Amino acid sequence: QVQLVQSGGGLVKPGGSLRLSCVASGFTFSDFYINWIRQAPGKGLEWVSCISGTDYTVYYADSVKGRFTISRDNAKNSVYLQMDSLRAEDTAVYYCARALGSNDYWGQGTLVTVSS
Amino acid sequence: DIQMTQSPSTLSASVGDRVTITCRASQSISNLLAWYQQEPGKAPKLLIYKASSLESGVPARFSGSGSGTEFTLTISSLQPDDFATYYCQQYHSYPYTFGQGTKLEIK
Repeated sequence: QVQLVQSGGGLVKPGGSLRLSCVASGFTFSDFYINWIRQAPGKGLEWVSCISGTDYTVYYADSVKGRFTISRDNAKNSVYLQMDSLRAEDTAVYYCARALGSNDYWGQGTLVTVSS
Repeated sequence: DIQMTQSPSTLSASVGDRVTITCRASQSISNLLAWYQQEPGKAPKLLIYKASSLESGVPARFSGSGSGTEFTLTISSLQPDDFATYYCQQYHSYPYTFGQGTKLEIK
């Protein structure tokens, strides 16, 4: 069955860095784009970034451009989100999701808290 | 960027009611719209893709319609499990954007 298992969240100080991981199983990983989507506490969903399956084309929301880097390793069925220069407003639950346009399978979410 | 506006923000209804949630896009997105259901503390769940296609395993009481800039999600007969928050999302162009959400509450 399709699974996306996330890791790497936690508490970090403003200006710090964190790397999120998303390991996939149950499908041909390179056939799919992967999105990162976040949700601040008590707020709605915000699309963050996306990476294509084979040519590794990337896209970012303006709010994270220049600070976050998405990457993938198809040999490890994994996608990563490197988050640098973190700000308080980056505090959120971060989800990875499989995408063929819409997001049909989601990871369990991982909480990132940016606070001094 | 394409702005997605959902209405209402909150909807109070009873079990058995028929309810409709509307999502408007700031420019045409063809039919590249998805609807998600989110329960507290859980990841969103895909209900509808391409505006009107029902995701596998989703009950037939959920339906979607629309194209261009106006879209609706209809639940034909509310069940207890349906009280949750619903989001639309356009995937016509980056950055992909979500509506602000509609919280469906028990009346």
